Amino acid sequence: NAGVTQTPKFQVLKTGQSMTLQCAQDMNHEYMSWYRQDPGMGLRLIHYSVGAGITDQGEVPNGYNVSRSTTEDFPLRLLSAAPSQTSVYFCASSYVGTAAGPNTGELFFGEGSRLTVL
Amino acid sequence: ILNVEQSPQSLHVQEGDSTNFTCSFPSSNFYALHWYRWETAKSPEALFVMTLNGDEKKKGRISATLNTKEGYSYLYIKGSQPEDSATYLCAPHDDNDMRFGAGTRLTVKP
Repeated sequence: NAGVTQTPKFQVLKTGQSMTLQCAQDMNHEYMSWYRQDPGMGLRLIHYSVGAGITDQGEVPNGYNVSRSTTEDFPLRLLSAAPSQTSVYFCASSYVGTAAGPNTGELFFGEGSRLTVL
Repeated sequence: ILNVEQSPQSLHVQEGDSTNFTCSFPSSNFYALHWYRWETAKSPEALFVMTLNGDEKKKGRISATLNTKEGYSYLYIKGSQPEDSATYLCAPHDDNDMRFGAGTRLTVKP
């Protein structure tokens, strides 16, 4: 059982470049989300989705786009990378989602993607 | 917007010691609270999801309690082992928002 799979694990970008972090889960979870983790700070929610075709902003959405065309996939796009986006990114999914807001099901996390923007 | 505080930030204990840490959050509009264990170079893994005031949950030597009226949760580890070394995250959420605390980093010395 693969769980939540993120790619790539490491990436170095130059300022202004674009890239997509891929996230796929094989658990048929409704809820998927992206977090970033920076030193001394907790995981901060970037965007989340409660089902295919539905996405919403989290705490720190600026500079990132998402889409959810299938239940399995939830890619995160950086359209014009900035040094402030240097971080470790985690994708997570959960069984339970609600249309009104975040879920109450435990989150299953991917292994993380370390992004450096020069 | 949820303001989540975890204390202490870090903790060093000897093998066999019991320990506990605190997660504090606003008590209004409470919906649920998650605890996660995060080992270095790995992904966070869920320990507990708690929803009711007075909830107590246990998994092996780790247990947690929840007080939604005063806005706190305690995580206890009985007889700490070196393999318990990790960062422990709490994440409360209300009906709009879920926030992770910065975590308590536990180091258990053999």
